[in-house]
Amino acid sequence: GQSLEQPSEVTAVEGAIVQINCTYQTSGFYGLSWYQQHDGGAPTFLSYNALDGLEETGRFSSFLSRSDSYGYLLLQELQMKDSASYFCALGHAGKSTFGDGTTLTVKP
Amino acid sequence: GAVVSQHPSRVICKSGTSVKIECRSLDFQATTMFWYRQFPKKSLMLMATSNEGSKATYEQGVEKDKFLINHASLTLSTLTVTSAHPEDSSFYICSARPPGTGGLNEQFFGPGTRLTVL
Repeated sequence: GQSLEQPSEVTAVEGAIVQINCTYQTSGFYGLSWYQQHDGGAPTFLSYNALDGLEETGRFSSFLSRSDSYGYLLLQELQMKDSASYFCALGHAGKSTFGDGTTLTVKP
Repeated sequence: GAVVSQHPSRVICKSGTSVKIECRSLDFQATTMFWYRQFPKKSLMLMATSNEGSKATYEQGVEKDKFLINHASLTLSTLTVTSAHPEDSSFYICSARPPGTGGLNEQFFGPGTRLTVL
């Protein structure tokens, strides 16, 4: 089976950098994805790591280390609109298993 | 990016009735769509994988006779909650993966349907 662990809540101030960690247990997977979901909205895709290392997409970066069963999402230059829930997800067997999500609160 | 629509966005029904939710990929063909259920402040729980032209694949613990899935075309999948009860009240979200993404795990989600069963 697959299981993922993320912190339930993270708080940071506007302009800061925040890292959301994701550890996982799996018997095999294609890659690790990250999604953002605002209250009442649909999840939107942020980033994907198939290989170890860092993937950068604008203010967002994602990292994967398969040997450590660990990944993270890095958000830079935080803005108030970044307040949302962030989910890591393992891709395996043609489907995805999501973590429980991390609620990020950005304060002025 | 790819667009997925979902209808209705909200539905309130009486206990014992059936509710149909539609999921459409608007600008791409999706041989596979996914149906999720999400409780407040909780994760997305995969209910089933909807396959065009064949039976859906349900996750363990999901009642296939209660949650009927039909993937009639490459752009439409429907989820019917049969004989709905208050415990079925939830946020139901569909997603689709454009063709050619292979192992890439980018899914495009519909806006979700808030189901309330009285």
